Amino acid sequence: GESVGLHLPTLSVQEGDNSIINCAYSNSASDYFIWYKQESGKGPQFIIDIRSNMDKRQGQRVTVLLNKTVKHLSLQIAATQPGDSAVYFCAENSGGSNYKLTFGKGTLLTVNP
Amino acid sequence: DAGVIQSPRHEVTEMGQEVTLRCKPISGHNSLFWYRQTMMRGLELLIYFNNNVPIDDSGMPEDRFSAKMPNASFSTLKIQPSEPRDSAVYFCASSPDMAGVGTEAFFGQGTRLTVV
Repeated sequence: GESVGLHLPTLSVQEGDNSIINCAYSNSASDYFIWYKQESGKGPQFIIDIRSNMDKRQGQRVTVLLNKTVKHLSLQIAATQPGDSAVYFCAENSGGSNYKLTFGKGTLLTVNP
Repeated sequence: DAGVIQSPRHEVTEMGQEVTLRCKPISGHNSLFWYRQTMMRGLELLIYFNNNVPIDDSGMPEDRFSAKMPNASFSTLKIQPSEPRDSAVYFCASSPDMAGVGTEAFFGQGTRLTVV
């Protein structure tokens, strides 16, 4: 029979608008978080990271917000461009000797010109 | 730096055949990861090496999968015998330090494996 694929959350925005991509994590011990961008046919590419002792970090056109109380992470992209169209993954690491990055399911961002 | 280099980019093989995927990590990185990406399960960590030593292979699906890292600049992931359910994109990633201390992993372009 036909297999059921992973249904990615999707976000569609107009070029120039701001985008907000959300991620919930489950491990309260996680102390390091990364956002990755994956374009079609390519490997995940690092965008920005944040440690658990911070609640906000800014990069070029991107901002990551961390709310440890509700275990929620968001990625804000300012002035979204067509080149931002991709799947965005959040990844968490629980620190210490734990090397494992646990990836979320991803969100597909589509930017309409 | 050319980044993490994987080969081949695409592999189509018949069920039962042996498949070998190759990876050259970024020079100077001492951690190497093999991931598998499918629509059903997303990105899964298969195995992790640190300083060429396998640290954790608990993500390797079964005995048909094996990975080696004979030196700091080369790693292989082998599937023998391959099965259609192994069809996926396999990524190699490297990191300059153990990811547990807060360093991102740099991914290669991936190998798209199709087993027919």
